[in-house]
Amino acid sequence: EAQVTQNPRYLITVTGKKLTVTCSQNMNHEYMSWYRQDPGLGLRQIYYSMNVEVTDKGDVPEGYKVSRKEKRNFPLILESPSPNQTSLYFCASSPRGRSGANVLTFGAGSRLTVL
Amino acid sequence: GESVGLHLPTLSVQEGDNSIINCAYSNSASDYFIWYKQESGKGPQFIIDIRSNMDKRQGQRVTVLLNKTVKHLSLQIAATQPGDSAVYFCAENIFGTGGGNKLTFGTGTQLKVEL
Repeated sequence: EAQVTQNPRYLITVTGKKLTVTCSQNMNHEYMSWYRQDPGLGLRQIYYSMNVEVTDKGDVPEGYKVSRKEKRNFPLILESPSPNQTSLYFCASSPRGRSGANVLTFGAGSRLTVL
Repeated sequence: GESVGLHLPTLSVQEGDNSIINCAYSNSASDYFIWYKQESGKGPQFIIDIRSNMDKRQGQRVTVLLNKTVKHLSLQIAATQPGDSAVYFCAENIFGTGGGNKLTFGTGTQLKVEL
């Protein structure tokens, strides 16, 4: 089944304790992206990657890092989490093509709580 | 399941009626639009898309209308069913931003289907 898989689905952590949310897709997509979803704000892009070893900032990158060493994986790293990073996180992927031609496929989400 | 947002605009319809969900977008340069459906505890799922050179597109039980003059998008769901209950997001793609695949999302509308 074609899908985007995120882990963990739920995590409660404390301020300053580094964590990584993994994301893997099995569709051979070039493009991958992380979004966070907060009440009243919709989904906002954190980082994206157009291909292996190519990453760039989205709208809300502060406090996050990403890496793209392999095509299928795009982990989201919080080096020193803070309470304002408590949110619902989504990883998404799509084939890379001309602008707007490609639909993002989303993972099921990772609920992160930072105490 | 996960709550995707508080204080979302809510549309309540009777089962079997038609639903119309509206969305205003801000950037006249946007050339591609997508509607996503998000059920509780799940990631957004693609419903239908439309390019800016079209004003209407139909799918199975769904129709998207685009009015570029007033920058307005709508999603029409025919014969609404209980399984249509979800949060619906419109998203726009702005050419050249975010690697070409970036979607900017609206804040969403909660659709409730009453039996």
